[in-house]
Amino acid sequence: GQSLEQPSEVTAVEGAIVQINCTYQTSGFYGLSWYQQHDGGAPTFLSYNALDGLEETGRFSSFLSRSDSYGYLLLQELQMKDSASYFCAPSYGNNRLAFGKGNQVVVIP
Amino acid sequence: DTEVTQTPKHLVMGMTNKKSLKCEQHMGHRAMYWYKQKAKKPPELMFVYSYEKLSINESVPSRFSPECPNSSLLNLHLHALQPEDSALYLCASSQEGSDYNEQFFGPGTRLTVL
Repeated sequence: GQSLEQPSEVTAVEGAIVQINCTYQTSGFYGLSWYQQHDGGAPTFLSYNALDGLEETGRFSSFLSRSDSYGYLLLQELQMKDSASYFCAPSYGNNRLAFGKGNQVVVIP
Repeated sequence: DTEVTQTPKHLVMGMTNKKSLKCEQHMGHRAMYWYKQKAKKPPELMFVYSYEKLSINESVPSRFSPECPNSSLLNLHLHALQPEDSALYLCASSQEGSDYNEQFFGPGTRLTVL
């Protein structure tokens, strides 16, 4: 399997900015996606980066650097509903996603 | 319809039982997946079906047997499971035919093996 390093838990106040980092193995790498999962819920797709650079979707942005085998998800203007686990998931072709260990974000008032 | 449905929501079974998990999607997706997720862990890929054919089996024990009867349905047959198989079983689907396709997940079946 793939080894994906993500820190485990972050606590932040409403309105703050949180960055979640992800490193991945490069062999056969196609691109990096991010999924959000609330407690008791299903993972939902947030973003996908195939090329280097920043992709912005509303309050969330995702970045990829292929040369560094590194990406991050930036959560801005945090809201209580953003409390969830966030997974990076590099794709390696053949519809195979390898989910990272996940990062739990706790938003407090 | 952009939903993946799974039944049952919860399942408790003994180690000698045979049961099946069901998954359905009507988005026209031709790739379907089974994942296993333990508490506080990421989803782990088990099987991938592409155009109703099994394309990936991530060395899953034979007590888990997938089946794809048609392009909308995916089953996971369970037999002689162990307590350590207790987990959330997630089904997902996606388009096929490009380098990357967003996966849509169902709500999962929470399985307890006694």
